Amino acid sequence: GAGVSQSPSNKVTEKGKDVELRCDPISGHTALYWYRQSLGQGLEFLIYFQGNSAPDKSGLPSDRFSAERTGGSVSTLTIQRTQQEDSAVYLCASSLVAGGNQPQHFGDGTRLSIL
Amino acid sequence: AQSVTQLGSHVSVSEGALVLLRCNYSSSVPPYLFWYVQYPNQGLQLLLKYTSAATLVKGINGFEAEFKKSETSFHLTKPSAHMSDAAEYFCAVTGGSGSARQLTFGSGTQLTVLP
Repeated sequence: GAGVSQSPSNKVTEKGKDVELRCDPISGHTALYWYRQSLGQGLEFLIYFQGNSAPDKSGLPSDRFSAERTGGSVSTLTIQRTQQEDSAVYLCASSLVAGGNQPQHFGDGTRLSIL
Repeated sequence: AQSVTQLGSHVSVSEGALVLLRCNYSSSVPPYLFWYVQYPNQGLQLLLKYTSAATLVKGINGFEAEFKKSETSFHLTKPSAHMSDAAEYFCAVTGGSGSARQLTFGSGTQLTVLP
């Protein structure tokens, strides 16, 4: 079956611009996670959604970052007024439900480069 | 907070030799532990997970890991390395109590397999 799909695979933009990254989880998965992978910081949690519950935003690094999940499926991560330190690979994952023992399945990521 | 430490950012082995990648966790309660592999320009693929059912966990591609509570370790092994095993490997933990649904990752170990 189809895995987690992310688009675009690569994004290059100028500093100060806004960007939107999209994630389409595995069908039937109610939990969706965003992570960031960068050379200096490794893999960091950003935010997760579980069904219709309020998202856990505890990992978002600043108020320039936001995410939404419409209809309990597709999610969009938005970065406003991008900075060079936002350059990273943004990974999305989904799981059947949000539980500590539930394996998360990852997409191939969006590589974001800020000029 | 949960954390994992991966000793050795780079490990090199000869083809056919034993692979041993080290992971130690820090947890006040029994955690859920995972090993993921990442190939270049791809997302993370789940190798195996520990969820307290058995201390020796077998995963895909001939990998296995043993949970040792006394040593707070969850090392990844494979008896005989193959060239296709060259990749980056991440150990990760979630909250055993269910309080932390997101993955907390180690810094990763890059495995090189020499012919």
